[in-house]
Amino acid sequence: DSGVTQTPKHLITATGQRVTLRCSPRSGDLSVYWYQQSLDQGLQFLIQYYNGEERAKGNILERFSAQQFPDLHSELNLSSLELGDSALYFCASSPYNTGELFFGEGSRLTVL
Amino acid sequence: GESVGLHLPTLSVQEGDNSIINCAYSNSASDYFIWYKQESGKGPQFIIDIRSNMDKRQGQRVTVLLNKTVKHLSLQIAATQPGDSAVYFCAESPYSGSSNTGKLIFGQGTTLQVKP
Repeated sequence: DSGVTQTPKHLITATGQRVTLRCSPRSGDLSVYWYQQSLDQGLQFLIQYYNGEERAKGNILERFSAQQFPDLHSELNLSSLELGDSALYFCASSPYNTGELFFGEGSRLTVL
Repeated sequence: GESVGLHLPTLSVQEGDNSIINCAYSNSASDYFIWYKQESGKGPQFIIDIRSNMDKRQGQRVTVLLNKTVKHLSLQIAATQPGDSAVYFCAESPYSGSSNTGKLIFGQGTTLQVKP
């Protein structure tokens, strides 16, 4: 158990819909990262937050947005969903500037 | 463009043998490299890391080797066990030392199968 909690574990929705994925980082970790894992693209960095502020962006679509709240939990919002958005979405946290990230078990999104 | 690639998609080894998983990277600016293990149905788990000022680092049953000349990274697992069966990813960070160190570029992964 990494200490990172993600909900929901599974989500099935239709094209055009909007979903929110939630992440609770390890206690004390200020950095939260979102990664997308798909069969064709592998693990791709989406976005990083540090203590409530956006710190880095990766290959995140404009239809996607995220935020980190004062209690440090984070949400990833995916809108106007397309079939190609079907993937595993991982949240990870870390306490400091390190590549040792602690990943949650992921949220599996299926868009039909 | 930037890419981190793995030489073999699947590696099958006998229990008790040593495993070597290879990885090539292309970004010369990367100075920090990490290996992750992902078991089925779980998120990636940190194994070991190495900075570019080192060429070898050892952990418990694992060793990472870095050859900057040919941009090659390898993970050696000693006395491979069934519990080592997983997908192994190498990752690089061109941003180490900054607040973006966790913005990792992952390779495609190698599946390690351990035969009993």
